[in-house]
Amino acid sequence: ETTLTQSPAFMSATPGDKVNISCKASRDIDDDLNWYQQKPGEAAIFIIQEATTLVPGVPPRFSGSGYGTDFTLTINNFESEDAAYYFCLQHENFPWTFGQGTTVEIK
Amino acid sequence: QVHLVESGGGVVQPGRSLRLSCAASGFNFNIYAMHWVRQAPGKGMEWVAVISYDGSHKYYADSVKGRFTLSRDNSKRTLYLEMNSLRAEDTAVYYCARAESQDFWSGYANWGQGTLVTVSS
Repeated sequence: ETTLTQSPAFMSATPGDKVNISCKASRDIDDDLNWYQQKPGEAAIFIIQEATTLVPGVPPRFSGSGYGTDFTLTINNFESEDAAYYFCLQHENFPWTFGQGTTVEIK
Repeated sequence: QVHLVESGGGVVQPGRSLRLSCAASGFNFNIYAMHWVRQAPGKGMEWVAVISYDGSHKYYADSVKGRFTLSRDNSKRTLYLEMNSLRAEDTAVYYCARAESQDFWSGYANWGQGTLVTVSS
């Protein structure tokens, strides 16, 4: 099983900040990593596919980088509406596995 | 617009059974694999099970194998999860999710809002 280690677990951000969330895989997963955003009581939203591709309709302040074992979700110019729970998913190896998630709140 | 709506959650005693449903709309349900994923209180997401577009292939997490059964009715655009011999550690919000593409091993494009299952005496 591929373990995804996501960090930090929790962070606070001020509008305008640059936010970085890390997801490290225990083995090479190529670019088979997705990022999701979830707000309380709502369905998770697909924001980054294949590590670096922005899902259509997602604001361009979101970006993804990385390949192999180290991945990063970046939010440029953080906005208050970006306060949410973020998590990564790998689909290179069975079973599908997730990072433990990052809660981003407004400072 | 893709819409996934889970139902069937509730409070159940250990050892009992529960059946979850996921009603799909807004896409061609017949051609996508579907997953169940759960999130226990204070924990991260955990993949539970996947079923192929036609129901011919099913895979389960070791933690639920032999106790949970996944099925789908494409005519009703509905996914089911039959959960038997429930344990306290099955307490979680259960989400259904649609595969990203027709590639069985893809990630998830869409999620439902989830249904809470609480296993407690």
